[in-house]
Amino acid sequence: DAKTTQPPSMDCAEGRAANLPCNHSTISGNEYVYWYRQIHSQGPQYIIHGLKNNETNEMASLIITEDRKSSTLILPHATLRDTAVYYCIVSKRNSGNTPLVFGKGTRLSVIA
Amino acid sequence: DAGVIQSPRHEVTEMGQEVTLRCKPISGHDYLFWYRQTMMRGLELLIYFNNNVPIDDSGMPEDRFSAKMPNASFSTLKIQPSEPRDSAVYFCASSPAGGLKETQYFGPGTRLLVL
Repeated sequence: DAKTTQPPSMDCAEGRAANLPCNHSTISGNEYVYWYRQIHSQGPQYIIHGLKNNETNEMASLIITEDRKSSTLILPHATLRDTAVYYCIVSKRNSGNTPLVFGKGTRLSVIA
Repeated sequence: DAGVIQSPRHEVTEMGQEVTLRCKPISGHDYLFWYRQTMMRGLELLIYFNNNVPIDDSGMPEDRFSAKMPNASFSTLKIQPSEPRDSAVYFCASSPAGGLKETQYFGPGTRLLVL
């Protein structure tokens, strides 16, 4: 799997958009960008994933650059409950050969 | 669905004792994963199964660790003998046939403390 680089920590004011960057310059054509988050003391939780196009769901938006070497996870209106460690993972879609492997992630603190 | 169920949620034991962690995957899921999380090493994949068969156990730290999946609804991770450095949170996760990562769900974890 391609390696990812994320800032170790970020702060965001409550109600503002949180933009979490991820660099994955060695991504290959069949690898997806996945985002998971882990709220304190809980198991990781899937947020969103994408291949080339930007994606949006009820939790977040994912913006992938045209060259696919970097991406940004956007939480449009961050709340205190969004305080968590966010993991950007680049991997093939099927876990059969390439299970999820987590890096250190970005610790997002949402501040009131 | 109740989600992935792990037991016990907390375990405190003394060095040298045997520890057994249990996991019940989501019904119908074919893949089961065991992870370990520590402050120093983060989230590490230990082993995973497909249709009850171990596929990759390269993450198992040493022979003291063993994992089994006797049937589709139950898996165990055993540490014998346990050591203080095994103290960590152990997560179990499962996903359905196809193993698509977006359908992988994690349990609440077992917090293990070895004294």
